[in-house]
Amino acid sequence: KNEVEQSPQNLTAQEGEFITINCSYSVGISALHWLQQHPGGGIVSLFMLSSGKKKHGRLIATINIQEKHSSLHITASHPRDSAVYICAVSGDTDKLIFGTGTRLQVFP
Amino acid sequence: EPEVTQTPSHQVTQMGQEVILRCVPISNHLYFYWYRQILGQKVEFLVSFYNNEISEKSEIFDDQFSVERPDGSNFTLKIRSTKLEDSAMYFCASSGFSEAFFGQGTRLTVV
Repeated sequence: KNEVEQSPQNLTAQEGEFITINCSYSVGISALHWLQQHPGGGIVSLFMLSSGKKKHGRLIATINIQEKHSSLHITASHPRDSAVYICAVSGDTDKLIFGTGTRLQVFP
Repeated sequence: EPEVTQTPSHQVTQMGQEVILRCVPISNHLYFYWYRQILGQKVEFLVSFYNNEISEKSEIFDDQFSVERPDGSNFTLKIRSTKLEDSAMYFCASSGFSEAFFGQGTRLTVV
């Protein structure tokens, strides 16, 4: 069983829609990370959080430690948001354990 | 904005050859990592490096792999005798005391 599970695996949306990507994990963590991977392959860190909620522009990340669950929300989605969104966790050590990613396509 | 730089962006090598993947982490970072992503699969941890030594390595990181920080700025991953299954995107990352910053990756193709 994967230690980090994401849903959905694939997501399509119309421009302007509100998007939610979910992440569940089964291990104890010190932090949860949301990352973005573009078609060229590069990975960009979006958020690192250990409790509560963080917001950056149109992106919002929340985490519920008791339920071992996190969500990434994108408001007013845009075609340039099309990418793979990856949830990853760090535990006792600083290495990241990655989920399989959610492929998002936003159409105009 | 500071960034992690990886070279080359793409390398093709013959099976059995040695390859060295290079990374320049962010200058004041203390923790360095290599990850890999086989096509269509999730990113996997290979090794972490702190204070000039390996702090943790995965089962993937066998005797064919080694890492070095030869000159205080570069961080290298060496694969001694490449196999077909080593074909993947290799990511270098570095961190201070918070989030990790990733390089753009080196796509390694073993033929």
